[in-house]
Amino acid sequence: AQTVTQSQPEMSVQEAETVTLSCTYDTSESDYYLFWYKQPPSRQMILVIRQEAYKQQNATENRFSVNFQKAAKSFSLKISDSQLGDAAMYFCAYRSLLNFNKFYFGSGTKLNVKP
Amino acid sequence: DSGVTQTPKHLITATGQRVTLRCSPRSGDLSVYWYQQSLDQGLQFLIQYYNGEERAKGNILERFSAQQFPDLHSELNLSSLELGDSALYFCASSVSFTSGSRDTQYFGPGTRLTVL
Repeated sequence: AQTVTQSQPEMSVQEAETVTLSCTYDTSESDYYLFWYKQPPSRQMILVIRQEAYKQQNATENRFSVNFQKAAKSFSLKISDSQLGDAAMYFCAYRSLLNFNKFYFGSGTKLNVKP
Repeated sequence: DSGVTQTPKHLITATGQRVTLRCSPRSGDLSVYWYQQSLDQGLQFLIQYYNGEERAKGNILERFSAQQFPDLHSELNLSSLELGDSALYFCASSVSFTSGSRDTQYFGPGTRLTVL
């Protein structure tokens, strides 16, 4: 079964600076989707960014970008110009396109933003 | 607003009781997923339905069951509740089950269940 690992339980960043959250995954599939979800204190799960495995170009959404390394099975999230509102739990997720489209989530990284 | 609705927002009940959580997917979405998130923990996948049929099962206890109705809304039934069942229960929806579809999962606001 696929596994998703987030090795950083908690991280801190100064407001306006850049931070990178790490995610690795294990799979034997060649095509899949990867996601980053944000969960602020309200506990709502919010989609931040997604990446199709067949695309070599890294996805970007405003201040959020990913570094997708398919061979290394690595999918990190970079947040530029960090804002106080970025403080949240961030979950990395893998979507299988073969195994009944199941989603697999990492354990999360808590991001603190210091003013 | 993701377009996925869940009711109730909060539920407080006693051990041994039974509750039903309801989810309405986004308009047009055929697939519904249920997740459990205990305090300060990650998401545990429970079960997935597509167009009324069960498609995948995760770490769902035998005391729990779910179904998806013809109008595509879904219900998660939790019975013989225990203290450890206290958690946030999320429903998520996506467009299509079929392999190769390029859809994303959108989450509802969750139902917070407290078992006393």
